[in-house]
Amino acid sequence: TQLLEQSPQFLSIQEGENLTVYCNSSSVFSSLQWYRQEPGEGPVLLVTVVTGGEVKKLKRLTFQFGDARKDSSLHITAAQPGDTGLYLCAGSLYGNNRLAFGKGNQVVVIP
Amino acid sequence: NAGVTQTPKFQVLKTGQSMTLQCAQDMNHNSMYWYRQDPGMGLRLIYYSASEGTTDKGEVPNGYNVSRLNKREFSLRLESAAPSQTSVYFCASGGSTYEQYFGPGTRLTVT
Repeated sequence: TQLLEQSPQFLSIQEGENLTVYCNSSSVFSSLQWYRQEPGEGPVLLVTVVTGGEVKKLKRLTFQFGDARKDSSLHITAAQPGDTGLYLCAGSLYGNNRLAFGKGNQVVVIP
Repeated sequence: NAGVTQTPKFQVLKTGQSMTLQCAQDMNHNSMYWYRQDPGMGLRLIYYSASEGTTDKGEVPNGYNVSRLNKREFSLRLESAAPSQTSVYFCASGGSTYEQYFGPGTRLTVT
């Protein structure tokens, strides 16, 4: 059973459009991270959210942690081809520094 | 700072051969992790080490062994490779905030 469900699995949009992807769980997390992975590379940490309802912005990317700390969303404004990648969410659930990862949202931005 | 480094980047093995994947980090992190990433399966934790001198099994430890050589280095050994171990292997390290930093990966094919 996947602890974190990400949707949609795949999303293709035109440059300049907006998009939102989701990360959902029935479990409560003490923190949640978003990573971006490009082909042939390792995941790179984008942001960590800790407080329920927290919103963080990273340039055109907006991350929100659900009030109940069970879900999160990532919104990209005016997407650019450089935003193409696999977006992974990961939650800190256990007390021993382990993370639970979702399977990812594959985003393709077409020029 | 190099962050997390992994060697080799690519490897082809025959069934039954053994090999060791090397990982080192220069961020003075206590925790280190080994994951495998397969299409449709996401990142799965093989083994982790919460501190120097300790190791614990993750979700998919069968067929693997690890050694936390010192605070910087964490190696993953395949004693008798099987085709089911064909995958991309990532090493990661983390400090006290549950965030993890990944290496570039090792692409392993077992024929």
